[in-house]
Amino acid sequence: EVQLVESGGGLVQPGGSLRLSCAASGFTFSSYWIHWVRQAPGEGLLWVSHVNRDGSSTTYADSVKGRFTISRDNAKNTLYLQMNSLRAEDTAVYYCARDGGFPRPFDYWGQGTQVTVSS
Amino acid sequence: EIVMTQSPATLSVSPGERATLSCRASQSVSSNLAWYQQKPGQAPRLLIYGASTRATGIPARFSGSGSGTDFTLTISSLQSEDFAVYYCQQYNNWPPWTFGQGTKVEIK
Repeated sequence: EVQLVESGGGLVQPGGSLRLSCAASGFTFSSYWIHWVRQAPGEGLLWVSHVNRDGSSTTYADSVKGRFTISRDNAKNTLYLQMNSLRAEDTAVYYCARDGGFPRPFDYWGQGTQVTVSS
Repeated sequence: EIVMTQSPATLSVSPGERATLSCRASQSVSSNLAWYQQKPGQAPRLLIYGASTRATGIPARFSGSGSGTDFTLTISSLQSEDFAVYYCQQYNNWPPWTFGQGTKVEIK
């Protein structure tokens, strides 16, 4: 069974940092791109970042570029999101999602981890 | 960036009735369009990809159609478990991968 389990969320002050993790199981982690998607309270889904299979290629939403860094450790089947210079508008539930490969997009999602940026 | 626009924002439907949700892209996305269902407190679930292909385990009452810029998700006979928020997403031109703002299907 494919599973994605996020962790690392919490309450952080504006300007602070947080590192999210996404532990994968039930599939060959190194064979798939993985994404981070976030959802602010009462809002819709916003794609944040993606990483390719070996971590050599990454992309970011403009709103997080230069502040967030996505990475992966295929030996540990784990995805990361290092979030620096956090702002109130980064408050959201953060999901990791597996990219099923064309033509299937985000075929499996984790349950999400809450990040709250507030003083 | 491709902007995805969904309508209506809220759809009130009685159980057993048909629901029709729309999604429009600001430019052509070919058939690279997906639909997701999200229930309160849960992660999104992939329903449809390639505009019309049901994902694994999705009931046949869910169907998708369209190509280019205009897409439709139809739920033929709404069941109690179908009341949720539905999002469309394009994956033709990325980054970014973009979602619509969602349509909430509520009980009438």
